[in-house]
Amino acid sequence: GENVEQHPSTLSVQEGDSAVIKCTYSDSASNYFPWYKQELGKGPQLIIDIRSNVGEKKDQRIAVTLNKTAKHFSLHITETQPEDSAVYFCAASKQSNYQLIWGAGTKLIIKP
Amino acid sequence: NAGVTQTPKFQVLKTGQSMTLQCAQDMNHNSMYWYRQDPGMGLRLIYYSASEGTTDKGEVPNGYNVSRLNKREFSLRLESAAPSQTSVYFCAATGGNYGYTFGSGTRLTVV
Repeated sequence: GENVEQHPSTLSVQEGDSAVIKCTYSDSASNYFPWYKQELGKGPQLIIDIRSNVGEKKDQRIAVTLNKTAKHFSLHITETQPEDSAVYFCAASKQSNYQLIWGAGTKLIIKP
Repeated sequence: NAGVTQTPKFQVLKTGQSMTLQCAQDMNHNSMYWYRQDPGMGLRLIYYSASEGTTDKGEVPNGYNVSRLNKREFSLRLESAAPSQTSVYFCAATGGNYGYTFGSGTRLTVV
């Protein structure tokens, strides 16, 4: 079955610097790749997603890139701010069942 | 725009007690999911319902049962709670190959 690996498990960056989180997936039929942010005590919230017909998508300070050949996708956060501190999850799904397969999560720490 | 509503938000149970976690969505989505999240861990799928009238086991179904009461509601039942079921439980809903909308979670402690 599908497997999604996420790295690193913890990422500490200086405020204002960029952060990059990477995920790889195993099922070449996967065609939808969302990223979720989970703040302490809350449920995960969708922040950006990308489909397999697109290589990159941006939304203000966040962007996601997809390399279908290598089967990996990445989340990029620029000009990090304290409110970016959270746990970030990647996921992948395919059109046959829409069920998301989740990465293990990355704890992002923004140092002042 | 409530999205996905979970009740209760907090619960303490004694070992062997039973309870039902409630989840309701107002987005007219077909698919609903129950996850558990242990401290510092990712999301593990307990059960899901791809559409009204269907339910299927996920990764960790033992000790749980579910009911898809109608399109809006998907409940999770613990028949005989165990300390190993202490966790945060999240319900989610989706309309297709799109992102999930999560509820705010139920924090369950079994003593």
